[in-house]
Amino acid sequence: KNEVEQSPQNLTAQEGEFITINCSYSVGISALHWLQQHPGGGIVSLFMLSSGKKKHGRLIATINIQEKHSSLHITASHPRDSAVYICAVRFNNDMRFGAGTRLTVKP
Amino acid sequence: NAGVMQNPRHLVRRRGQEARLRCSPMKGHSHVYWYRQLPEEGLKFMVYLQKENIIDESGMPKERFSAEFPKEGPSILRIQQVVRGDSAAYFCASSRRGTEQETQYFGPGTRLLVL
Repeated sequence: KNEVEQSPQNLTAQEGEFITINCSYSVGISALHWLQQHPGGGIVSLFMLSSGKKKHGRLIATINIQEKHSSLHITASHPRDSAVYICAVRFNNDMRFGAGTRLTVKP
Repeated sequence: NAGVMQNPRHLVRRRGQEARLRCSPMKGHSHVYWYRQLPEEGLKFMVYLQKENIIDESGMPKERFSAEFPKEGPSILRIQQVVRGDSAAYFCASSRRGTEQETQYFGPGTRLLVL
């Protein structure tokens, strides 16, 4: 069993829809990261969370440390949000990554 | 303020050759992490370095792979005698202090293809 599980694996939405991507982890962590990998392959850090909730534009990330669960929400989704979203947990010196959620937003 | 730079962006090698991948961290960052993304697989941690020190190399294959981050110049990930299974995207990331609760900034990656 992977230490970081993401769901869904693939997600297709219509423009304007509210999107939720989930991440569960099984190890004790100090921080959780949400990353975005563009179709061209580049990786962008979206959020780093250790508790609570963070918001940046249309993106919201939450984490529940007790339940070992985090969610990434995208409000008013847009085709340019189409990418792979990756959850990663910092565990000692290394990062453990989820398999990613491939999001496609159709106009 | 330039971000994390990696070069080359694409590298083609024949089996048995050496591959050298370079990573220049963001200005002011002295901690570098290398990750590998095999085709159709997720990212995997390889090694964590600070200037002139390897902090954690638990994710590095035991043979043929080495990494360094000298006092001056970029971090180098070196793969000797490459094999087809080394074909992957190699990403580096950097951070300022290396603390656990700190954002890592990723480079654009080097895509290695071994023929």
